[in-house]
Amino acid sequence: SAVISQKPSRDICQRGTSLTIQCQVDSQVTMMFWYRQQPGQSLTLIATANQGSEATYESGFVIDKFPISRPNLTFSTLTVSNMSPEDSSIYLCSVEDRRAPTDTQYFGPGTRLTVL
Amino acid sequence: LAKTTQPISMDSYEGQEVNITCSHNNIATNDYITWYQQFPSQGPRFIIQGYKTKVTNEVASLFIPADRKSSTLSLPRVSLSDTAVYYCLVGYGNKLVFGAGTILRVKS
Repeated sequence: SAVISQKPSRDICQRGTSLTIQCQVDSQVTMMFWYRQQPGQSLTLIATANQGSEATYESGFVIDKFPISRPNLTFSTLTVSNMSPEDSSIYLCSVEDRRAPTDTQYFGPGTRLTVL
Repeated sequence: LAKTTQPISMDSYEGQEVNITCSHNNIATNDYITWYQQFPSQGPRFIIQGYKTKVTNEVASLFIPADRKSSTLSLPRVSLSDTAVYYCLVGYGNKLVFGAGTILRVKS
């Protein structure tokens, strides 16, 4: 399966600032996803990032708040903009590994964000 | 309405078989059911995936009835290290929905 790394692993930020989270994959993948996992909750999809096109955002998430870049087939960034304490969550990237028998998502280790 | 439902928590003892069921009444015809395991401070780890009937790998089995409105993850002979949150992920056409997760606590 694909090996995925994220940076930073955790951060503590002040309200009103922005944080960019990086996701690196060890192989070329077409589809990358960004999820949010609030404390004690399940995962919620923020957006799907395909290389060469604009990210597709889920209901309740907007590009101004969560801009995403996808410059190549192994890398993506998610920025959490103008942060508030409600943005405190774990942010996870995942990739769809088409080498698997069926389309399967594999997840990075996550970035734990705390906003003060 | 796309909804993926699983029990909030389960308790078990070492060596027992654990079965966790996920309900997904409106699963799309062509979509799969995938189960993940998540430990604290880690990303979800893929366990098993299936479309219908039974799938087995080295860590688990997945049972899916003919109507595909539910699925059951079976963990044989659990150990303390299987204590984790287990999520089912189901496709509803163009949307993937995670269940709320089942906290499995394995006791000695």
